[in-house]
Amino acid sequence: SAVISQKPSRDICQRGTSLTIQCQVDSQVTMMFWYRQQPGQSLTLIATANQGSEATYESGFVIDKFPISRPNLTFSTLTVSNMSPEDSSIYLCSVAGLMNTEAFFGQGTRLTVV
Amino acid sequence: AQRVTQPEKLLSVFKGAPVELKCNYSYSGSPELFWYVQYSRQRLQLLLRHISRESIKGFTADLNKGETSFHLKKPFAQEEDSAMYYCALSGESGGSNYKLTFGKGTLLTVNP
Repeated sequence: SAVISQKPSRDICQRGTSLTIQCQVDSQVTMMFWYRQQPGQSLTLIATANQGSEATYESGFVIDKFPISRPNLTFSTLTVSNMSPEDSSIYLCSVAGLMNTEAFFGQGTRLTVV
Repeated sequence: AQRVTQPEKLLSVFKGAPVELKCNYSYSGSPELFWYVQYSRQRLQLLLRHISRESIKGFTADLNKGETSFHLKKPFAQEEDSAMYYCALSGESGGSNYKLTFGKGTLLTVNP
């Protein structure tokens, strides 16, 4: 299985600021994804992080709000920009493409915007 | 649009009792269905997938295309089964099972 390190594990941020979340995997993976889990809701896919090119965003999510980088096959960042209290969620990194084709998840980043 | 519905937010059973966590889906094509589990203070992990037709930790799930359901069952619940369970669907073109649509989850509590 993949070992995924997601940082920070939690943060409390002021509205109007930005937070960058990092996802590091211990092996090269084909695909990396970012999900959001708002309080009481299910996990929702934000985007697919593409290595060396712009991320592919799902409906309702835009690059200006959630810029994503993926400089190589083992690392990605998600930035939550110009935060508001509605952005308070758990953000999860997911990776796939290993031998058994299972999708693995990071521990998540619990973000609170005040 | 694809959608996964888990009608029960909470489910409480006694140890040794049968348990069934319900999952219904909406998808026009041929989906791949999964159950993910998150134990307390642990990360989300795959429990089982319908294409494997396997039993994991005593749990099984059968895909019923007629009823568009993928209920998770275990004949005798154990206390260590207490966790949050998520049903998920992959309907990505090409059969990718990485890009997932999740239900809201069911919190299972197994009482001693």
